[in-house]
Formats: sequence, C-alpha cells, structure tokens
Amino acid sequence: NAGVTQTPKFQVLKTGQSMTLQCAQDMNHEYMSWYRQDPGMGLRLIHYSVGAGITDQGEVPNGYNVSRSTTEDFPLRLLSAAPSQTSVYFCASGARTSTDTQYFGPGTRLTVL
Amino acid sequence: DAKTTQPPSMDCAEGRAANLPCNHSTISGNEYVYWYRQIHSQGPQYIIHGLKNNETNEMASLIITEDRKSSTLILPHATLRDTAVYYCIVRVDFGNEKLTFGTGTRLTIIP
Repeated sequence: NAGVTQTPKFQVLKTGQSMTLQCAQDMNHEYMSWYRQDPGMGLRLIHYSVGAGITDQGEVPNGYNVSRSTTEDFPLRLLSAAPSQTSVYFCASGARTSTDTQYFGPGTRLTVL
Repeated sequence: DAKTTQPPSMDCAEGRAANLPCNHSTISGNEYVYWYRQIHSQGPQYIIHGLKNNETNEMASLIITEDRKSSTLILPHATLRDTAVYYCIVRVDFGNEKLTFGTGTRLTIIP
C-alpha cells in the first residue's frame, strides 16, 4: 500500500511551457484534491474531485486543469506556466465517509523561470 | 467552514507536554475540529479530530471546550520529531471534504 504518490518530486519550467503533475492513490478513495503551498503560507485548494468523471474548482483554480478518468489517478495540468505558479503542490485523497481523514502525498516542488 | 485562530509560534521543552490552542468561536453545530501537522516540507499528516467530546489517540489528545468555541491539542511527551507546523481546521462532516488551511502554529521542540 503506497498511499498517495506524486511525480515528479522537482520540476523546473520556463514561462509558457505546459506540464502535468501526476497523482495516484491505491486506497480506492473517491475524494482527491490538489493544493498549492507558497512560502510561509498554508495550503490553498486548487481543484478537487469526488469521484471518477467529477471535478470542481477550489479556491485558486486559474491556470490549472484537472480530469479524473479513474478512481486512482488525478493529474493536474498547467497549460501555460507562469512564475506566479512557482510553488509546492500537494495531492490528497480521502474516503467519502463521515469524518474521513485525508492523506497527503509528498509534494512536487515546481519552479517557473 | 468556520474560521480558526492559532498563535503563529510556540516553543516546548523536549519531554514536556505541548499544548496548542485554537480558537473557533464561529463554529457551527455540525462542524468538527480537525488537527493536521506538516513536518518540514512534507505533506500534511492527520493527527486527530473531534466534535464535542474530548478525544485521544496514539498521537495526541484533543480537548474541546463545552461551548465548542476553542480547543487544545495536547502532545503529551513532545519529542524533537514533533517540531512542525500544526493546523487547526473546522469543517462539516460528510459531503464537504474541502480542508481550509490557515497559517497554523509553528511548534519548536527545544532539546
């Protein structure tokens, strides 16, 4: 049971490039989400999904796309990277049961030059 | 979800109990209090949660006041590995899984 995995661990992009951050979980969780964390700040929700085929926006969705074709995977796409997207990105998953706890991945550190 | 207020930083001597306060004066009757922590740059880790009764698990204890407007997370015998940022979050239960993180309390355990 690997929990929540994220790839890559580190990534450097140039402004305007696109890329996909990968997130996978092996706990059969229905709920998955993406957060970003800027230096000295708490995590902010980007997008989330309550099941395959269902996604919704969080607090800071602009510049990011998501899709959920399987229960296990929830990739985050940056369409045209900007320096303001330099951040650490965390993926999380949880079971949709009452008072479920959420499990976070180790994060992807992204730098946009 | 209700807003929470936590002190920005605290120190605690190794081996002593660390008591981390959280104010959530606007909490609703169906909102739970959750605690997560983030060690260095790792992903947040769940610690404990409760509704109105005090709770204890292998990591910590959670004390919620009778009016539910504040709570305290207690790490009974703090170790250096407990140095982390601790987040107090209130949220409803089933149907709203979104977690709203504030800036938390940076707890430093002093040898």
